[in-house]
Amino acid sequence: QSALTQPPSASGSPGQSVTISCTGSSSDVGYYDYVSWYQQYPGKGPKLLIYQVVKRPSGVPDRFSGSKSGNTASLTVSGLQAEDEADYYCSSYAGSHNFVLFGGGTKLTVL
Amino acid sequence: QMQLVQSGDEVEKPGASVKLSCKASGYSFLYYYVHWLRQAPGQGPEWMARINPRGGIANYAQRFQGRVIVTRDVSTRTVDMEVTGLRSDDTAVYYCARDGMDGDYDGWYFDLWGRGTLVTVSS
Repeated sequence: QSALTQPPSASGSPGQSVTISCTGSSSDVGYYDYVSWYQQYPGKGPKLLIYQVVKRPSGVPDRFSGSKSGNTASLTVSGLQAEDEADYYCSSYAGSHNFVLFGGGTKLTVL
Repeated sequence: QMQLVQSGDEVEKPGASVKLSCKASGYSFLYYYVHWLRQAPGQGPEWMARINPRGGIANYAQRFQGRVIVTRDVSTRTVDMEVTGLRSDDTAVYYCARDGMDGDYDGWYFDLWGRGTLVTVSS
């Protein structure tokens, strides 16, 4: 069981928007603004999409956006494209014992 | 070109130790923490440890304390991680990754990843 909770699957049609949630606790997601999101294709390493809740690295399309409310962070993918079909993972800093926690991942399917 | 190049896949028996390597290039090695994470089949990544290349100080997730050692060699720009007392549930792809913040700041996000090293633990 992962420390952060994500829905196992999400789906949407091309052009639609999809939001993936990531629920933690008041000791991690709710306390620190160190939430990040990663995209991973099968057999490949993760790629950074969002860091510090809302920031986007250069080269990541602005179709990807992050937010946080209380103990839940969210990743929204707007204008879905076929290439967005992948696994998505959230992570959060959680203090000096566990340091960083990850979610179990959400498989995004573009219908 | 910034990259982290990891050592090759390993097959080990239960109880053995394995040492993984991660060589950095294309950026200022001393100024970014290097982290180790692993990903078991079908699961999310798991953070294991990090090291500050400048001072060589490492931090470990509580569950890996005493079983994992991370070191660095500044002259070769390499970070190594040794895992001892291997068990079957240590079977995973092990990644090294660079912290996204430079200097003395903590970013706690990973903007550059190695390709991963598959460690299989089996009798």
